[in-house]
Amino acid sequence: GAVVSQHPSWVICKSGTSVKIECRSLDFQATTMFWYRQFPKQSLMLMATSNEGSKATYEQGVEKDKFLINHASLTLSTLTVTSAHPEDSSFYICSARLRASNTEAFFGQGTRLTVV
Amino acid sequence: GENVEQHPSTLSVQEGDSAVIKCTYSDSASNYFPWYKQELGKRPQLIIDIRSNVGEKKDQRIAVTLNKTAKHFSLHITETQPEDSAVYFCAASIQPPPMRFGAGTRLTVKP
Repeated sequence: GAVVSQHPSWVICKSGTSVKIECRSLDFQATTMFWYRQFPKQSLMLMATSNEGSKATYEQGVEKDKFLINHASLTLSTLTVTSAHPEDSSFYICSARLRASNTEAFFGQGTRLTVV
Repeated sequence: GENVEQHPSTLSVQEGDSAVIKCTYSDSASNYFPWYKQELGKRPQLIIDIRSNVGEKKDQRIAVTLNKTAKHFSLHITETQPEDSAVYFCAASIQPPPMRFGAGTRLTVKP
């Protein structure tokens, strides 16, 4: 299957700083990528849909100024958590769907963010 | 928007027994229903999916059934093995994605 790579796998940052997470589709072009957040022992909650060359679509309750999403190319989307706080500590996972497909989405390995 | 409910939240079975996880969805326009397996700290892995024009799909020990009228779908794992232990998520989407996930079921298979 298609490969989606996410970087970094884990990051620890100080409260008030910003953290950037990258999501790359390695062997296919992805016009759309999705960002999820998963708290311990909970489900994957969709944060936003990232469309190449246009603004991201955020889910209700997700602050677009806090979670900046950039999808500058067909293989890369980035999520920047700005002014991070301890409550932002979570597992962030991206997924991407094949450009020519409208079904399966492939997941990155996730990024565990800890804000201290 | 779509709301997906999943039951049970935890499931413990003896090795060799069958396991069944059930999900319901709210949006009748949803037409794609994947199931994912997630091991601790790892990415979700697609194990099987079904589209709304199909009532049942099977892949070796795993099967999924869909009842569009009742808006529910189920995952069936037969002859469970300890390596089946993981968290399983159902999801529903109107193609194309995004997908809305159920709350997850933690399956434990006891040897």
